[in-house]
Amino acid sequence: AQKITQTQPGMFVQEKEAVTLDCTYDTSDPSYGLFWYKQPSSGEMIFLIYQGSYDQQNATEGRYSLNFQKARKSANLVISASQLGDSAMYFCAMREPNTGNQFYFGTGTSLTVIP
Amino acid sequence: DTAVSQTPKYLVTQMGNDKSIKCEQNLGHDTMYWYKQDSKKFLKIMFSYNNKELIINETVPNRFSPKSPDKAHLNLHINSLELGDSAVYFCASSQGLAGVTDTQYFGPGTRLTVL
Repeated sequence: AQKITQTQPGMFVQEKEAVTLDCTYDTSDPSYGLFWYKQPSSGEMIFLIYQGSYDQQNATEGRYSLNFQKARKSANLVISASQLGDSAMYFCAMREPNTGNQFYFGTGTSLTVIP
Repeated sequence: DTAVSQTPKYLVTQMGNDKSIKCEQNLGHDTMYWYKQDSKKFLKIMFSYNNKELIINETVPNRFSPKSPDKAHLNLHINSLELGDSAVYFCASSQGLAGVTDTQYFGPGTRLTVL
């Protein structure tokens, strides 16, 4: 089974609108970490935000927030007030101790911000 | 002030050649990684070193050999290059924390093209 599933291969959003990128995960470990990365067309991988399984509150970093629903095993990324520079691939990743703290990445979602 | 750097950024070579990609991090991290990103943008872990010691060695051809001269450097040597080795190779590093909060920071990637 896939550890991380991103079901939206491509998404479009109007500039200044909010957008949600979906991520579901699969683990039996009570302790795990969830990460989001951005990969613009220039190719680098940029860390955006982290959520721990025991964190009581949803993580936020500027315009990025994580909608963490533990019972549903989802960790959706919300980008508010989209900007043209937000156009990129977005990857969800998980780290869990029972696999030696290895990172598992999803297949990514391509986001295009329309002016 | 580059945190994780890789050289070269682009590498074009003929089938059968041997090539190396170098990676250096100045974050003081203990753990370094190599990932391969294929043409569909899927990221797969190849190797991980902690304090110069190999801790993750995924199923990759033994033509790929990582070398860590010190904890700030992790190089990737590839023998007898094949067409299927064409991909973007990312180096990453993390503090090497035991828990799940260990965020990975990526280098800019090396685009390898085998002709």
